[in-house]
Amino acid sequence: QVQLQESGPGLVKPSETLSLTCTVSGGSFSRHYWTWIRQPPGKGLEWIGYITDGDRTNYNPSLQSRVTFSFTTSKNQFSLELSSVTAADTGVYYCARERGYSGYEAGLFDFWGPGMMVTVSS
Amino acid sequence: IQMTQSPSSLSASVGDRVTITCRASQGIRDDLVWYQSKPGKAPKRLIYDASSLESGVPSRFSGSGSVTEFTLTISSLQPEDFATYFCLQHNGYPYTFGQGTKLEIK
Repeated sequence: QVQLQESGPGLVKPSETLSLTCTVSGGSFSRHYWTWIRQPPGKGLEWIGYITDGDRTNYNPSLQSRVTFSFTTSKNQFSLELSSVTAADTGVYYCARERGYSGYEAGLFDFWGPGMMVTVSS
Repeated sequence: IQMTQSPSSLSASVGDRVTITCRASQGIRDDLVWYQSKPGKAPKRLIYDASSLESGVPSRFSGSGSVTEFTLTISSLQPEDFATYFCLQHNGYPYTFGQGTKLEIK
């Protein structure tokens, strides 16, 4: 069974960089899209983007200038960095696995982390 | 692509028929899925390709629509159906979600 777990600071100061890591256990990295999704308080989910094990990335244009994903295969981890954060970046951050990119597998987020609340505040 | 989901909340009783709608700001063919989310659990996909039922999902759930207008219908609410539902379009990047509908017991 694949399990994902987010980790990182729960409090980040404005203008600093938010860094989160997702540790994956129980599965292979290949062929899947490793995704970050967030949910601001009282709002809907926002797709941040994905990274593949080949280091291919796809970012939400609304965040593209501030976001970077990376992969550490040896540690079974992938990471998110979001720079120059503001209060608008406060929310629950989820890592998730999208099974694939086409057909039945597209839009199938079959495994999720429990989510991590990140607050941007001084 | 913006997804407008309505209603944002809904109170209903066991046995009721409920319908949730998602509208896309542009045509997305049938590249729409529906998820059910419960506290403390990972969201679960119920419907793919707008109207195809995931294996193991009760037949009281159904999806319909294409291009810009989509609906999720629960034909006869059961106690375990009280949850939050959201749509997701995967026709183009960035993927976008509906705002979610919280279905509560009346």
